[in-house]
Amino acid sequence: EPEVTQTPSHQVTQMGQEVILRCVPISNHLYFYWYRQILGQKVEFLVSFYNNEISEKSEIFDDQFSVERPDGSNFTLKIRSTKLEDSAMYFCASNWGGRSYEQYFGPGTRLTVT
Amino acid sequence: SQQGEEDPQALSIQEGENATMNCSYKTSINNLQWYRQNSGRGLVHLILIRSNEREKHSGRLRVTLDTSKKSSSLLITASRAADTASYFCATVRGSARQLTFGSGTQLTVLP
Repeated sequence: EPEVTQTPSHQVTQMGQEVILRCVPISNHLYFYWYRQILGQKVEFLVSFYNNEISEKSEIFDDQFSVERPDGSNFTLKIRSTKLEDSAMYFCASNWGGRSYEQYFGPGTRLTVT
Repeated sequence: SQQGEEDPQALSIQEGENATMNCSYKTSINNLQWYRQNSGRGLVHLILIRSNEREKHSGRLRVTLDTSKKSSSLLITASRAADTASYFCATVRGSARQLTFGSGTQLTVLP
């Protein structure tokens, strides 16, 4: 069964460093998403991406964040200058589109900012 | 305002018993979905109910939706130890597709 994959599974970085989190969505899906979950808190929407551009973004997704789909398979989230409060699980998800609203999530990347 | 608040926050039952989790939300929705998350893992879609539906079944899962009360419930029948996980409701509003998650119910099923 097709699945969303994410790399790395765990990333440790120092405050102020740039990180890139990578995702490979399910191949025939059209919508891509990033969510994050701070330890013990809700899963929060960051950004959605469709037709090679951002379709929606939350207040969390400020200028420090960017997303790219550099080729036909990868979907990346970049944090330019990490802060301690960026420490969280970051989940990528994808969705076929049309009348389908179910999202398929990757296993997540645990980002630890020290 | 927060969307999708579940109760209880934690639920502990014996194997074979039924588990009921509730979710309330504040705005109009297109659909409501339930997801499961095993500890430290990604979320898995369980079931979706559209705003014009009142009840839906899938295997041992039964979900109800009351749009007048802005609430939903998830019933897991004949629970198993493997059902131990966190369960989240998530709403979709209008034409936007992103999910707004609740705070989740931690279900523990004791063998």
